[in-house]
Amino acid sequence: KQEVTQIPAALSVPEGENLVLNCSFTDSAIYNLQWFRQDPGKGLTSLLLIQSSQREQTSGRLNASLDKSSGRSTLYIAASQPGDSATYLCAVWSRDTGNQFYFGTGTSLTVIP
Amino acid sequence: EPEVTQTPSHQVTQMGQEVILRCVPISNHLYFYWYRQILGQKVEFLVSFYNNEISEKSEIFDDQFSVERPDGSNFTLKIRSTKLEDSAMYFCASSVRESGELFFGEGSRLTVL
Repeated sequence: KQEVTQIPAALSVPEGENLVLNCSFTDSAIYNLQWFRQDPGKGLTSLLLIQSSQREQTSGRLNASLDKSSGRSTLYIAASQPGDSATYLCAVWSRDTGNQFYFGTGTSLTVIP
Repeated sequence: EPEVTQTPSHQVTQMGQEVILRCVPISNHLYFYWYRQILGQKVEFLVSFYNNEISEKSEIFDDQFSVERPDGSNFTLKIRSTKLEDSAMYFCASSVRESGELFFGEGSRLTVL
């Protein structure tokens, strides 16, 4: 079974700082990896999807990278803003371990004005 | 922008009662999913549905659960006889293709008393 881990569990940074969120997975035979944002009590908003053949994806101030061989992905947020405060989840799709996304526990980000 | 919609947003029920959660996936999507998130825990896969049948289900999705697409737009999750441990946020999601980018609804919070 695919295990997805996100470190750190919580992160607090001052506004304007660049930051990196980490995601690691145990089974490197993935089809893709998706990063989500979740606000308290709300649904999941898709941020970026990285196909297994890609190394990175960018959207605005967000950049996600994927290293399948080491089982890692990072989400880089540039020039953080208070509105970025949320929980960030990564999820991986593994065919060999079931046709489904496996989610990490998330990193709770607080950006201090 | 197209979105996944879910109703109700919150349902309170007595243990042993039947509950139906409803979802309207994005109109051109072909794959539909239910996930759940118990408070403070990971998002967990329940079931995937394609071409009017279940394509994958998890260990959580036992005989108490069923899914249906009764018409061209709705996708429902039924819990036949609710238990206290069914209390969770239930998320519907859809995608254009298998392992494609997942789009989530806002969730239905189920509280079983």
